[in-house]
Amino acid sequence: KNQVEQSPQSLIILEGKNCTLQCNYTVSPFSNLRWYKQDTGRGPVSLTIMTFSENTKSNGRYTATLDADTKQSSLHITASQLSDSASYICVVSAMYGGSQGNLIFGKGTKLSVKP
Amino acid sequence: DAGVIQSPRHEVTEMGQEVTLRCKPISGHDYLFWYRQTMMRGLELLIYFNNNVPIDDSGMPEDRFSAKMPNASFSTLKIQPSEPRDSAVYFCASSYGETQYFGPGTRLLVL
Repeated sequence: KNQVEQSPQSLIILEGKNCTLQCNYTVSPFSNLRWYKQDTGRGPVSLTIMTFSENTKSNGRYTATLDADTKQSSLHITASQLSDSASYICVVSAMYGGSQGNLIFGKGTKLSVKP
Repeated sequence: DAGVIQSPRHEVTEMGQEVTLRCKPISGHDYLFWYRQTMMRGLELLIYFNNNVPIDDSGMPEDRFSAKMPNASFSTLKIQPSEPRDSAVYFCASSYGETQYFGPGTRLLVL
């Protein structure tokens, strides 16, 4: 069964600290993996998209890694800011039938950055 | 560009009533998606269109849900009749390529 599991469910860190969010998946065949940031009351915003051949991608202070062998991804946030407080959602696309619609969503990690 | 526009932003209705959610995608995008988000189930893809044609509606919960895209700049998601378990935030997203751009969502409460 295609699944995406994220951990931890929630996380509280102090401003300025780094943190890493985890995503494990059992989606096959794999097409790509996406990380989204969702602020409270807003729609998700894409942070990164990685294909099978990419093992790291950065977007400012956000760095995503992908290990396609172990089917794991992580999102590392450097020097956290209060504005990083949000839910972070991992989404894996399966290859069959085109990559646009075969998306399997994780439940997200809720990050709170405290001053 | 104003981004993906959704209306209404909030909707409160009574069980049994018809609800229509509206979406204007980003101009030039050829894919449009409807999602539902709840605390219990997270984000779920309901249906998506490519060039105004429905491609996959396997995520639509049941016959009470229907979606249309009469032209490239407008789509609707209709629930008839609505039930309390339909209460959720409904997102519309559009894309040209892999990155999807989400609207602000419609928060629906069915009493």
